[in-house]
Amino acid sequence: EVQLVETGGGFIQPGGSLRLSCAASGFSVSSTYISWVRQAPGKGLEWVSNIYPDNTTYYSDSVKGRFTISRDNSKNTLYLHMNSLRTEDTAIYYCARAITISGIVRWCLDVWGQGTTVIVSS
Amino acid sequence: EIVMTQSPATLSVSPGDRATLSCRASQSLYSNLAWYQQKPGQAPRLLIYGTSGRATGVPARFSGSGSGAEFTLTINNVQSEDVAVYYCQQYTKWPPLTFGGGTKVEMK
Repeated sequence: EVQLVETGGGFIQPGGSLRLSCAASGFSVSSTYISWVRQAPGKGLEWVSNIYPDNTTYYSDSVKGRFTISRDNSKNTLYLHMNSLRTEDTAIYYCARAITISGIVRWCLDVWGQGTTVIVSS
Repeated sequence: EIVMTQSPATLSVSPGDRATLSCRASQSLYSNLAWYQQKPGQAPRLLIYGTSGRATGVPARFSGSGSGAEFTLTINNVQSEDVAVYYCQQYTKWPPLTFGGGTKVEMK
């Protein structure tokens, strides 16, 4: 079964750091295009970051310089390293897989994890 | 940044009705528009990609249409299990990928 499972969320004080994990099954993350998307309480969806198979990465302006996405192919897992956390980073964080059509990535997301909750508060 | 605007914010329908959800972009998207369904407490689910392509397992009562900067998600014969928030998302010009604010479909 194709699946993504996020872990690592929790309660953290402002200025702290956290590492989220996104474990894949049923496919290899090494050849996959992955996004992180977040959802603040009661709010809509907000894109956070993308990673390509060649490790090219992109970030939203709101997290650039603070968040880093990486991948461990041996564990078939992706990570979102979050530093200098702010209260406005409080959200459910989802990892999701982008679709490919005829080998070309289309950045819409067909497989989502269940999400992991990050609460930043003093 | 491409801004996505969805309307209405809330749509009240009766079982068997047709629901029409709109999504407008601040510039042309060509066909690079997706729709997602999010039920309470669940992750989003891809319904439509490329404006009108139905994702695997999505019932035929869901259909997408549109072009340029105006897009529509139509739900024919609305069922109780269709109660959810629906989001559109553009992937033509990024970063950032951008989502609309959502349309909540509720039962009368």
